[in-house]
Amino acid sequence: QKEVEQNSGPLSVPEGAIASLNCTYSDRGSQSFFWYRQYSGKSPELIMSIYSNGDKEDGRFTAQLNKASQYVSLLIRDSQPSDSATYLCAVIGGDQGGKLIFGQGTELSVKP
Amino acid sequence: DADVTQTPRNRITKTGKRIMLECSQTKGHDRMYWYRQDPGLGLRLIYYSFDVKDINKGEISDGYSVSRQAQAKFSLSLESAIPNQTALYFCATSDPGTGTHGYTFGSGTRLTVV
Repeated sequence: QKEVEQNSGPLSVPEGAIASLNCTYSDRGSQSFFWYRQYSGKSPELIMSIYSNGDKEDGRFTAQLNKASQYVSLLIRDSQPSDSATYLCAVIGGDQGGKLIFGQGTELSVKP
Repeated sequence: DADVTQTPRNRITKTGKRIMLECSQTKGHDRMYWYRQDPGLGLRLIYYSFDVKDINKGEISDGYSVSRQAQAKFSLSLESAIPNQTALYFCATSDPGTGTHGYTFGSGTRLTVV
């Protein structure tokens, strides 16, 4: 089992809809959770970080964390074509010494 | 100038050749990392270094070696390149003292082994 798992997609949503991206992780000691956006051929860009159970909102983005279920999600409201990218879930585990472990990424396509 | 600079940006090399990818940073971070990315596999950790004298293998270190020449420089070598090492390589730095661990990525090196 991979340490961090995501549905690889592609996920396709119409413009203006809510995109929902999901991630599970295996290390119960994990403390820090991140969502990165990556455009093709470019470096990952941090868009959200979350550390405690519940929701964290930043503009059109909401990250949700449920440590009991070892689940983290990202909601993108009012999706725009410019949101089309690969979204990477990343985790720093309890014994990872600060190393960032990535999921395989979910490709999102927002159709005009 | 970029905070984390990778050279070269693109490289095509032949099977069996030795190649070095270089990374330099101006962030002042002690921690540096090398990741590789293949389509559909996310970023996988090759090697990491928490300071100049501390080098550690990551998830997929076979076929690679590294050198931490200074706090600011961390190089990745492929001693004898093979086609399945064709990938996009990223260098990153981090500062665990910040809330988000302050990860900063370089722009990547696209390596093709023919």
